[in-house]
Amino acid sequence: QVQLQQWGAGLLKPSETLSLTCAVYGASFSGYYWTWIRQPPGKGLEWIGEINHSGSTNYNPSLKSRVTISLDTSKTQFSLKLSSVTAADTAVYYCARRNRNHEPRSFDIWGQGTMVTVSS
Amino acid sequence: DIQMTQSPSSLSASVGDRVTITCRASQGIRNDLGWYQQKPGKAPKRLIYAASTLQAGVPSRFSGSGSGTEFTLTISSLQPEDFATYYCLQHNDYPLTFGGGTKVEIK
Repeated sequence: QVQLQQWGAGLLKPSETLSLTCAVYGASFSGYYWTWIRQPPGKGLEWIGEINHSGSTNYNPSLKSRVTISLDTSKTQFSLKLSSVTAADTAVYYCARRNRNHEPRSFDIWGQGTMVTVSS
Repeated sequence: DIQMTQSPSSLSASVGDRVTITCRASQGIRNDLGWYQQKPGKAPKRLIYAASTLQAGVPSRFSGSGSGTEFTLTISSLQPEDFATYYCLQHNDYPLTFGGGTKVEIK
């Protein structure tokens, strides 16, 4: 059974860097995109970006200048860094998986979510 | 960016009602669309993929239809556990985008 378990700092000050990690259990990296998605309190879902097993990334242009997604294949973990955070980055952050090479290519497995609050 | 316009943003319905939610894409996305259900404090759960294929384990009262720019999620007979927020997702082009959500509430 594939599971994603995520963790990271939940309270940041403005201008700091958000850092989250997602561990993959029961699956290899190959054949999938490993993704970060966020949801501000009471609002909808926003795709942040993704990485494949070879380290190739795709980012949302709205966040691209501040986002880095990386992977650690030895630990089957992938990570999100978002620099220069502001209150607008306050959200629940989810990691998720989707198929890369075949249908269906929407998100099938999600992490439990991590609430990140940016406040001075 | 492909805009996904979801309607209505909220609705009130009774147990047993038929409910229909619509997503319109700003450009054609073939059938590259999924539907998700989200309950408070939980991650979204996929109900439908490829616009009309039911995810394994999801009750058959859920169905999806559409292709191109207009898509529909239908719940044929609303059950108490179906009160939640529903989102569509397009994965035809980058950036991937979600609809704004439809909150289904108890009437």
